[in-house]
Order: sequence, then structure tokens, then C-alpha cells
Amino acid sequence: DTEVTQTPKHLVMGMTNKKSLKCEQHMGHRAMYWYKQKAKKPPELMFVYSYEKLSINESVPSRFSPECPNSSLLNLHLHALQPEDSALYLCASSQEGDRGTGELFFGEGSRLTVL
Amino acid sequence: RKEVEQDPGPFNVPEGATVAFNCTYSNSASQSFFWYRQDCRKEPKLLMSVYSSGNEDGRFTAQLNRASQYISLLIRDSKLSDSATYLCVVNPTGGFKTIFGAGTRLFVKA
Repeated sequence: DTEVTQTPKHLVMGMTNKKSLKCEQHMGHRAMYWYKQKAKKPPELMFVYSYEKLSINESVPSRFSPECPNSSLLNLHLHALQPEDSALYLCASSQEGDRGTGELFFGEGSRLTVL
Repeated sequence: RKEVEQDPGPFNVPEGATVAFNCTYSNSASQSFFWYRQDCRKEPKLLMSVYSSGNEDGRFTAQLNRASQYISLLIRDSKLSDSATYLCVVNPTGGFKTIFGAGTRLFVKA
């Protein structure tokens, strides 16, 4: 069983809706990530939080808004999405807060469909 | 040239076969290397780290060749349950931007 928990597992939303994806880890990891994955493609980095501060934003459109309320939680707020945003959204964590290594622990993902 | 390149496959092999995947990376200063496994519609999971001296975990052997800038994964005695996509992952700078290869699909058949 994964130690990174994501909710919801599936989400269908219209282009005018506002929804949020949630991620929780209790491994004491100090870096948390959002990735987007389309079918048959590798994960693409969206955001990284290090010690609860936004460290990396990979030029993600503002209709995606990340939030890190505390060291265990990571949210991704969604608003005015487009059908092409339909994808698997993966949350991950890694132990170190100062640097990455590539040892990522992924949640099971939230499969998003935008109608 | 892509930062991390893999043969996309698919590799179709019978049970018990030995199969090898290669992955090349472009940044010679890259520091950390990994193989992840991703089952269909599931999340990626770390399979093994790759060390300069090579490392083995049961039926799986990973090797790193810094001079030629490639890493490899060897799977011996393939099982049906090995069917998955294998992702080559490189951390080029020690920062948070880990680079994923496109993945190699493996199908093991009875």
C-alpha cells in the first residue's frame, strides 16, 4: 500500500467548476510534488514544495493553483479547466527538503476528466 | 536530443526469458539514476536505484556506464507479473527536477 494518499481517485468536472485534489503523506518527507501524466506518456512535473514553500512552478497555467497547508498536506485547486487538462494527477513526496535525488514516493493518483 | 531516452518497445518475451533495457542520458554531470516500474493505470513505483558499481536485487540487475552515459536494467527469468512499463529516471543536478524517460513497455507471455 502506498504511503502517499490522494483523494479523490476519480473526478469529473465541467469547465466552469471549481474542485480540489488532495494529497497527504505521513513519512516526514519535506518535499512534495504534483505531476501530470497523460496516457502512454511519462509524468510531467508541475509544482514542487520544499519545506512548505513553493520551490518550482513549471510554468503551469494559473487555472491550477497549488497549496501546501502543512508539511503533510498538498492540495491542487482547479478552476476553469479545459478538456485537454484531463489526465492522471500524481502527488509525490521525497525525504530531503533541501535537494532532490529522484527517490519519489507516489500516490495512486487522481484521474481527472474535464467535460 | 532528449535528456533521457529509452527504447519504447514494446518488448514481448516468453516467461523465463532474460530481457534488457537501456537508457541514455545527455547531461554528463547527472548525479542520481533510478528505474521505476509503472503498471497500467497505476502510479510509478521505485524499482531500484542505480549505482556506479552496479547493483542487483533478486532477478533484477541495474548498471551505470558514466563514460557512455547510459544505464541498463536486466531482468532474468521473466514472470508474467513483470509486465509493466519501466521508466528510466535521472536526477541531473541534485535539484528537484527529476527527468523521466518515456518508458519501455514489457509484455511477458505464458
